[in-house]
Amino acid sequence: DVKVTQSSRYLVKRTGEKVFLECVQDMDHENMFWYRQDPGLGLRLIYFSYDVKMKEKGDIPEGYSVSREKKERFSLILESASTNQTSMYLCASRPSREYSPLHFGNGTRLTVT
Amino acid sequence: QKEVEQDPGPLSVPEGAIVSLNCTYSNSAFQYFMWYRQYSRKGPELLMYTYSSGNKEDGRFTAQVDKSSKYISLFIRDSQPSDSATYLCATYTNAGKSTFGDGTTLTVKP
Repeated sequence: DVKVTQSSRYLVKRTGEKVFLECVQDMDHENMFWYRQDPGLGLRLIYFSYDVKMKEKGDIPEGYSVSREKKERFSLILESASTNQTSMYLCASRPSREYSPLHFGNGTRLTVT
Repeated sequence: QKEVEQDPGPLSVPEGAIVSLNCTYSNSAFQYFMWYRQYSRKGPELLMYTYSSGNKEDGRFTAQVDKSSKYISLFIRDSQPSDSATYLCATYTNAGKSTFGDGTTLTVKP
């Protein structure tokens, strides 16, 4: 079974802090994604990566950056956390072949105070 | 306009009921449609997928795509309390990205 592991289930950070969310997958998937999930807004794509050291902006990249130094690890960085970044963050991975489904982690609930 | 619109719910049904979950999509070029199920405090997991038009059945679940009306549905027969979850429809857009509906939360009462 594919396992996507997000390092923290719950995080509480202060406004202005730099926040790192870590995601690791164990199935050698090329593609990795970061989404945020908010009530009434659904899943929105923040950033994604097709391969190591590659990154592409999703639909809502403002205020975020990412890092993919190794194939299995994809990090989301909040450069200066703000209260409107309080959300559930979901990491996902998939193989690069066409129409492969996403495999999600269990999410990190981030609260910025 | 969102690329995928989902009936918002929430839905509450008695055990044994037939459930219909519905989405519409905007782009006739979309061909591959998925349903994800998300239990509370968990990430979404793929439940079913369909390619192009038609029906696909898996046990109590049937996924249906009507390309003429750009409508996708998930039917659950003999619903069980364990089916209580949020259901997300999704499709692939350009460059292999997935776009999701906002989700419908289903509660099946014993």
